[in-house]
Amino acid sequence: SQTIHQWPATLVQPVGSPLSLECTVEGTSNPNLYWYRQAAGRGLQLLFYSVGIGQISSEVPQNLSASRPQDRQFILSSKKLLLSDSGFYLCAWSRDRFYQPQHFGDGTRLSIL
Amino acid sequence: RKEVEQDPGPFNVPEGATVAFNCTYSNSASQSFFWYRQDCRKEPKLLMSVYSSGNEDGRFTAQLNRASQYISLLIRDSKLSDSATYLCVVNNGNKLVFGAGTILRVKS
Repeated sequence: SQTIHQWPATLVQPVGSPLSLECTVEGTSNPNLYWYRQAAGRGLQLLFYSVGIGQISSEVPQNLSASRPQDRQFILSSKKLLLSDSGFYLCAWSRDRFYQPQHFGDGTRLSIL
Repeated sequence: RKEVEQDPGPFNVPEGATVAFNCTYSNSASQSFFWYRQDCRKEPKLLMSVYSSGNEDGRFTAQLNRASQYISLLIRDSKLSDSATYLCVVNNGNKLVFGAGTILRVKS
């Protein structure tokens, strides 16, 4: 069966510091991968998605970036965090972008001080 | 108009009650539909897919009305453990779009 791992579970960072969140998927090959952010009491906002190694699509302009160095690894980064980057970050995978459901990791709760 | 709209609730119901949520979507060409459940401070989890003919999974029934562009989720015999936020998810042609969710609180 497929599993998705995301870490760390919680993170407290100062404003202006860098960020790196990692997500890996096991049990499937060539998954579609996604990064979402959920602000407190709000819906999911799609940040990035990837259909293959090195292929990244950005949904919203921001100071975050994503990379996919390996088939089942997806990384979310920032060079300098802003207060507005606080939130619940979720990685997800699916077999295709349009018709199959997405399956989420446990999420990372990021607080910026 | 939002791509996917849900009544945010909260719906406060007693144990054993039947409760229904609706969700409307704007893209008439949408082909796939899902309901997710999200517990407080946790990740969303797939509850069920929604098929054109409607489908049932135990106490949960999902319906699709293409003409009116809405999907529904019916929960029968509510349990305390059903308390969560229920997310409606629709594909808009090039991605899945998540609704903001409907809060359900089941009380004893």
